[in-house]
Amino acid sequence: QVQLQESGPGLVKPSETLSLTCTVSGASISITNYYWGWIRQSPGKGLEWIGSFYYRGNTFYNPSLNSRVTISVDTSKNQFSLRLGSVTAADSAVYYCARNYYGSGHYYMDVWGNGTTVTVSS
Amino acid sequence: DIQMTQSPSSLSASVGDRVTITCRASQSISIYLNWYQQKPGKAPNLLIYAASSLQSGVPSRFSGSGSGTDFTLTISSLQPEDFATYYCQQTYRTPALTFGGGTKVDVK
Repeated sequence: QVQLQESGPGLVKPSETLSLTCTVSGASISITNYYWGWIRQSPGKGLEWIGSFYYRGNTFYNPSLNSRVTISVDTSKNQFSLRLGSVTAADSAVYYCARNYYGSGHYYMDVWGNGTTVTVSS
Repeated sequence: DIQMTQSPSSLSASVGDRVTITCRASQSISIYLNWYQQKPGKAPNLLIYAASSLQSGVPSRFSGSGSGTDFTLTISSLQPEDFATYYCQQTYRTPALTFGGGTKVDVK
């Protein structure tokens, strides 16, 4: 059974960098047909895709966040990480990591972490 | 960006009701459309992919239809565990995905 677990600080100061890690168990992140990525949900708001990567090195970001976001991967630990710089209160949200299946032209998020709440405040 | 618009934003229904939620894309996305269910405090859960394919383990009372710009999620007979918020997601422009604003289904 594939499981994803987010971890990281729950409180970040404005203008600093938010850093989260997603630990994957039950599957390798270095397998074909799967991307891995981050999604966030601000309080009372909908879902916003942040970015995704494929283990062969392709990484894609939401254009609205592109200049501030970096996703990196540590295959030895079966983990991937999110860094979001210059945060403001608008970046306060529940952050989810998710497995993204891609095959036969279709793409969907079939396994999600439980989510971790990040608050941006001084 | 492809914009996804869901309607209604909320609806009230009773157990046993047939519920229909609509999602409209700002441009044609063929059948590259997924539906998710989210309960309070939980992560979203995939229900339907490719507009009408039921994800493994999802009850058959859920169904999806549509292509191009207009899509529908139908719950044939609403059950108590179905009160939740539902989101559509376009995957035409992968991996630059966008979600709809959500439809909250609550108790009438």
